[in-house]
Amino acid sequence: SQQGEEDPQALSIQEGENATMNCSYKTSINNLQWYRQNSGRGLVHLILIRSNEREKHSGRLRVTLDTSKKSSSLLITASRAADTASYFCATIYNQGGKLIFGQGTELSVKP
Amino acid sequence: ETGVTQSPTHLIKTRGQQVTLRCSSQSGHNTVSWYQQALGQGPQFIFQYYREEENGRGNFPPRFSGLQFPNYSSELNVNALELDDSALYLCASSGQLNEQFFGPGTRLTVL
Repeated sequence: SQQGEEDPQALSIQEGENATMNCSYKTSINNLQWYRQNSGRGLVHLILIRSNEREKHSGRLRVTLDTSKKSSSLLITASRAADTASYFCATIYNQGGKLIFGQGTELSVKP
Repeated sequence: ETGVTQSPTHLIKTRGQQVTLRCSSQSGHNTVSWYQQALGQGPQFIFQYYREEENGRGNFPPRFSGLQFPNYSSELNVNALELDDSALYLCASSGQLNEQFFGPGTRLTVL
């Protein structure tokens, strides 16, 4: 069974707007990662946040982690049409262990 | 480009047949993980190989098997194919850090 639950399942916004996706998980983690997937192709690693971190930035991406609520959010600022993709959170419990993915959020950015 | 390659890109098989999928890991990575992604779902962990030994397995039957070679490339073998095996098969390589880098995937269709 999948660990993460992502919310919303689908999100449609206009170019220039911000997009926020949320992820919840069930048990303690070592770290949490966010991935992007375009049209059923390979997954692109976006950002990793460790369990002792609360916030991390990478370009237009901002990820937060709240271990007390077992949740994370991904914010994409000033979205572009090229950001249209599915976004997945994935948790990992031990060093080198397996990734457990959520169901994903399908983001559509309209020009 | 992650440096992880997979072959073939697409494959069509019939029920009962056997299939072998291949993955070349990123230079310097000694761990390869395989995932199955059904349409509209997040990837599900199949198994992981570390230095040629299986290092963890998900909830998949024994007809899913694998190998890792001395150069850390890997194969996924599926025997007695079933219709539900139709999916995108992803491999990911990782080194000492937890970040897993995914290949473009192999789309398997079982008729």
